[in-house]
Amino acid sequence: DAKTTQPNSMESNEEEPVHLPCNHSTISGTDYIHWYRQLPSQGPEYVIHGLTSNVNNRMASLAIAEDRKSSTLILHRATLRDAAVYYCILRDRATGANNLFFGTGTRLTVIP
Amino acid sequence: DAMVIQNPRYQVTQFGKPVTLSCSQTLNHNVMYWYQQKSSQAPKLLFHYYDKDFNNEADTPDNFQSRRPNTSFCFLDIRSPGLGDAAMYLCATSREPQGHTEAFFGQGTRLTVV
Repeated sequence: DAKTTQPNSMESNEEEPVHLPCNHSTISGTDYIHWYRQLPSQGPEYVIHGLTSNVNNRMASLAIAEDRKSSTLILHRATLRDAAVYYCILRDRATGANNLFFGTGTRLTVIP
Repeated sequence: DAMVIQNPRYQVTQFGKPVTLSCSQTLNHNVMYWYQQKSSQAPKLLFHYYDKDFNNEADTPDNFQSRRPNTSFCFLDIRSPGLGDAAMYLCATSREPQGHTEAFFGQGTRLTVV
């Protein structure tokens, strides 16, 4: 399975943009890039995913490098509610269900 | 409305006493997953069902079993819980197994073994 590498932790000031990086240098051409986050004492929740093009939704934006070996999750204005562990995961378009593996993730702290 | 529901949220069981955790979904998704998450660690995939097909991860202990009697329900059975099995257990669903579909998680069941 293709691996992802994320910083262990990051801090952001409230109401400022946050850029969470993820490296996936061994990504295959059929891997989707998914982001999930886990708030304290809750189950993970889906944030966004993409294949090649940048993606936007109500929660965040996903910027994917042209070579797809890295991506960045962008929270446009961090709030206290965004404090969570953010996981970057690769999911193969082809191989099937046993590919929702979590790495160590990035713990985001939002400073009031 | 909750779409992946795990009951109970907190479960206390005795060392060695079988325990069952339940998960239900209102999404009619084909895939259901079970994860174990210990304190300050990432979720670890135990197994999953794609429809009725069961797929066990290679390093999942034999102590852990699962049942999926129908599309909506999936159970995690721990035959003889040890102290090391105390953890949060997470259930997730996905419409299809392919990577273009997202997963939905329940709130988890926190298991305490005494």
